[in-house]
Amino acid sequence: DAGVIQSPRHEVTEMGQEVTLRCKPISGHNSLFWYRQTMMRGLELLIYFNNNVPIDDSGMPEDRFSAKMPNASFSTLKIQPSEPRDSAVYFCASSRGSLSSYNEQFFGPGTRLTVL
Amino acid sequence: AQRVTQPEKLLSVFKGAPVELKCNYSYSGSPELFWYVQYSRQRLQLLLRHISRESIKGFTADLNKGETSFHLKKPFAQEEDSAMYYCALSNQAGTALIFGKGTTLSVSS
Repeated sequence: DAGVIQSPRHEVTEMGQEVTLRCKPISGHNSLFWYRQTMMRGLELLIYFNNNVPIDDSGMPEDRFSAKMPNASFSTLKIQPSEPRDSAVYFCASSRGSLSSYNEQFFGPGTRLTVL
Repeated sequence: AQRVTQPEKLLSVFKGAPVELKCNYSYSGSPELFWYVQYSRQRLQLLLRHISRESIKGFTADLNKGETSFHLKKPFAQEEDSAMYYCALSNQAGTALIFGKGTTLSVSS
């Protein structure tokens, strides 16, 4: 099993451009999480899905950020328009989650986003 | 508010020395606490969780509810322990994690 797959691994874009990050969770996992890692704030939860339904998006910084999970094997995180302060490493994680108990989260390799 | 605090950004020790990575939390309810580790060029991965009460790679962590702490300890550090360590708390829904800002452990010979 390749684990959680994220693409691209690196993205460099200019301010104002749209950025789409992609994630493929581990097969059979029904919870998916998007995190952002910065030097200042560490690892922050942005949004998570259970059975393709967004459960908590309170961590999404503002309307420029949106996330979708159209099916059990794919999720996207979109930033439109991007700004330099969005530069960070974005991690996707998945688990055999339920809403009543914790299950280990498996992380992808991350996407390093640089907005110039 | 739910919060995880790791007061040290960097901890440098010599090989064979004891290690203690500090973690304090604030949470209303019964928390589930974890330590995650990220070795160089590897993915973030679970190291241990408090309910397991197990030792992984020589590391242990005890939940102290009175002091709201979950410090990670190892009696004799090894160079391969050098990594970024994150303390994390599960939220009330029981699934999403709240992370501390992480501590980089550097073990030198």
